[in-house]
Amino acid sequence: ETGVTQSPTHLIKTRGQQVTLRCSSQSGHNTVSWYQQALGQGPQFIFQYYREEENGRGNFPPRFSGLQFPNYSSELNVNALELDDSALYLCASSPTDRGGTGELFFGEGSRLTVL
Amino acid sequence: GENVEQHPSTLSVQEGDSAVIKCTYSDSASNYFPWYKQELGKRPQLIIDIRSNVGEKKDQRIAVTLNKTAKHFSLHITETQPEDSAVYFCAASETSYDKVIFGPGTSLSVIP
Repeated sequence: ETGVTQSPTHLIKTRGQQVTLRCSSQSGHNTVSWYQQALGQGPQFIFQYYREEENGRGNFPPRFSGLQFPNYSSELNVNALELDDSALYLCASSPTDRGGTGELFFGEGSRLTVL
Repeated sequence: GENVEQHPSTLSVQEGDSAVIKCTYSDSASNYFPWYKQELGKRPQLIIDIRSNVGEKKDQRIAVTLNKTAKHFSLHITETQPEDSAVYFCAASETSYDKVIFGPGTSLSVIP
């Protein structure tokens, strides 16, 4: 069974640029959640996708957008990058077909640095 | 929206002693409370969870308690070992399939 994989693992961008981060969910998992984790902080909820539909959003501006594909993989897009967007972006999948345990299975994350 | 607070932010204990981490949450609709452990440079991993119909749950050296009236929940680690050193996050969610909101974390150091 393949776990959650994210790409790229590290990237550097400059202010104003756009970035796309990718996540492949664990086999059998239909829900993907994205989190931003700044250094020394807890994961902050960005949004969740369930069966290709957004199913909840945290306190992030519209320049953070996402997508989930029919195979349940997902993308996080951030436009007009700001310095404060520098963080570890974590993707987590879960088998939430109204019977799941609730456990989030995290990927290793994508470390974004904005200069 | 839900807000989860966690104390202390750092905790240092001698090997063999107990460690306690306390959390509070704001949304009375929350019913699912997981705890995640994140070792340095690694991904967060679930260590234990508790649902609102249960007041206490134990798994070997770790236990969680929940006081829904007071909106408090706690993690207890007994007989701590150096491999328990990590950052621990409490979290809350309305159900086990809704968004999970994390606390700011507690960095636990177990001194041999």
